[in-house]
Amino acid sequence: QLQLQESGPGLVKPSETLSLTCTVSGGSISSTHYYWGWIRQPPGKGLEWIASIYYSGSTYSKPSLKSRVSTSVDASKNQFSLNLTSVTATDTAVYYCATHRSGYYDDFDYWGQGTLVTVSS
Amino acid sequence: EIVLTQSPGTLSLSPGERATLSCRASQSVSSSYLAWYQHKPGQAPRVLIYGASTRATGIPDRFSGSGSGTDFTLTISRLEPEDFAVYYCQQYGSTPFTFGPGTKVDIK
Repeated sequence: QLQLQESGPGLVKPSETLSLTCTVSGGSISSTHYYWGWIRQPPGKGLEWIASIYYSGSTYSKPSLKSRVSTSVDASKNQFSLNLTSVTATDTAVYYCATHRSGYYDDFDYWGQGTLVTVSS
Repeated sequence: EIVLTQSPGTLSLSPGERATLSCRASQSVSSSYLAWYQHKPGQAPRVLIYGASTRATGIPDRFSGSGSGTDFTLTISRLEPEDFAVYYCQQYGSTPFTFGPGTKVDIK
């Protein structure tokens, strides 16, 4: 059974960079699933897809966030990461990592529990 | 960007009743690439249905999905106490992938 766990600071100052890591267990990041995603949920709002990364490192991002998003994969640690630059209060949200079922155009079949990131000075 | 609209916003029902949730897309969803997720507070979302009508592994058969094009439906045939939650639809046929605003199913 694949398990995902997000980690990172719970508090980030405005204009700084939000950095999160997702650790995958129960399977290999480069062989059991190939596309890994980040989704967030601002308080009281719905879910928003941020970006997805292929195990080799190619990134696909929501256009409105693309200029601020970067991702990476560390296969040796079975981890993938999200960086979101120049954050504001509107980036406050629960951030989830997840995996696409198979290909890029696929639903998210495994999710982490989520981590709350608050942007505040 | 495909905008998904879900209705109703809240559905108040009793255990044992039938729930019918609607998801409408602003344009046709490619290849019926539509999923339904159940989300409870403090938990990870759980996929129930993908490909508009395929139940995910381990999902009870009281959950069913239907629809194509722009109109999709999630039906819960008989609500169990554990089914009271928020339900989201998501299209993954075109980027950016988008989610609907959710339907909350609460206890009447």
